[in-house]
Amino acid sequence: NAGVTQTPKFQVLKTGQSMTLQCAQDMNHNSMYWYRQDPGMGLRLIYYSASEGTTDKGEVPNGYNVSRLNKREFSLRLESAAPSQTSVYFCASSERTPATNEKLFFGSGTQLSVL
Amino acid sequence: QKEVEQDPGPLSVPEGAIVSLNCTYSNSAFQYFMWYRQYSRKGPELLMYTYSSGNKEDGRFTAQVDKSSKYISLFIRDSQPSDSATYLCAMSGRTSGTYKYIFGTGTRLKVLA
Repeated sequence: NAGVTQTPKFQVLKTGQSMTLQCAQDMNHNSMYWYRQDPGMGLRLIYYSASEGTTDKGEVPNGYNVSRLNKREFSLRLESAAPSQTSVYFCASSERTPATNEKLFFGSGTQLSVL
Repeated sequence: QKEVEQDPGPLSVPEGAIVSLNCTYSNSAFQYFMWYRQYSRKGPELLMYTYSSGNKEDGRFTAQVDKSSKYISLFIRDSQPSDSATYLCAMSGRTSGTYKYIFGTGTRLKVLA
């Protein structure tokens, strides 16, 4: 009963380092998403993928890249980490397309600190 | 002005109380209205969703949407300590040809035994 699995759970980076956050879902969902959650800002969409092979920018895409590796996996890459990217990152998936969607299923998050 | 406004709390209530959580929004294009519950150090989980205006009940939880006032509510009856969490409202729809699914900042709820 895994649902959406994210790795790692915690990460500390130095400014300028790169890393990739991994996400996999086992619910055969079509759409996948990356959010960041900051105090007082709520959840903000970074990128999403409505189907395998497609990706689109969300509200806060700058400094990030994504790859929809296959239907199950959607990764988020920070090429050159900055302190402003310190946040909790959540991956989510949905069965339906973003335009008509009401149900998101979230992973347990990655707490990232950039020093 | 934010598209979705939600009081951050914290809201502390005694066990058994009726809890009312609310959000206001500004974009009339939203069609789906959701409530997520988020426990500390966990991801949000969908609690309730409503399409357009009206009420929806599920056990101790009732979601209300008033599109004319751009106001949504979540009521929790007979609140339990296990209800202590942050509650996020969310709404989605297509506006100006663009998909939007946005969240409120969340209200922290503490139910005291």
